[in-house]
Amino acid sequence: ATQMTQSPSSLSASVGDRVTITCRASQDIGSDLGWYQQKPGKAPQLLIYAASHLHGGVPSRFSGSGSGTDFTLTISSLQPEDFATYYCLHDYDYPRTFGQGTKVEIK
Amino acid sequence: EVQLVESGGGLVQPGGSLRLSCAASGFSFNTYWMTWARQAPGKGLEWVANIKQDGSEKYYVDSVKGRFTISRDNAKNSLFLQMNSLRAEDTAVYYCARVDPLQYFDWFGSSYYFYALDVWGQGTTVTVSS
Repeated sequence: ATQMTQSPSSLSASVGDRVTITCRASQDIGSDLGWYQQKPGKAPQLLIYAASHLHGGVPSRFSGSGSGTDFTLTISSLQPEDFATYYCLHDYDYPRTFGQGTKVEIK
Repeated sequence: EVQLVESGGGLVQPGGSLRLSCAASGFSFNTYWMTWARQAPGKGLEWVANIKQDGSEKYYVDSVKGRFTISRDNAKNSLFLQMNSLRAEDTAVYYCARVDPLQYFDWFGSSYYFYALDVWGQGTTVTVSS
């Protein structure tokens, strides 16, 4: 079973900042990783699939990179609506596992 | 409009049972894998189970194996989660989600599919407490 380790667990940033979140897989998962955004009281929403592909309708300030065991989600210029919790999720094998989540807060 | 609506949550005593439902609309339900995921209060997301289009393959997280059963009724565009022997640690918001095979290409032009959770319901709350 593949485990995902996400960091940091939280971060404080200002509007306009560049933000980077990482996920590390316990084994080589190729590009089988997605990133999701969740706002309080709401269901998660897909941002990135296959490590680096932007889902339709997602702003281009979001980007993903990495392959194998190390993956990164980058927000190039943080906007007020981006304050939320972000999760990675692999689809390499069963059981699927989410990262622990990264809460992005306003500085 | 593509939509998933969960129902069936509530308060149940430890050891009890509950059946969650997820009504799908706006897409061809019988052509998609489906997922249940959950989120305990103040905690992160946890994948719970997947089911294939025809119900012939099912996968579970270890913590629910033998207690939970995922099923579907394609004629009624519905997904279910039967939860037995419930424990306090099963207390969570339960979400159903559609598994969408998103096609992508690598630098060499080879085609692959990534199975993303692209549509989610609003969630239904399960509380296990005496």
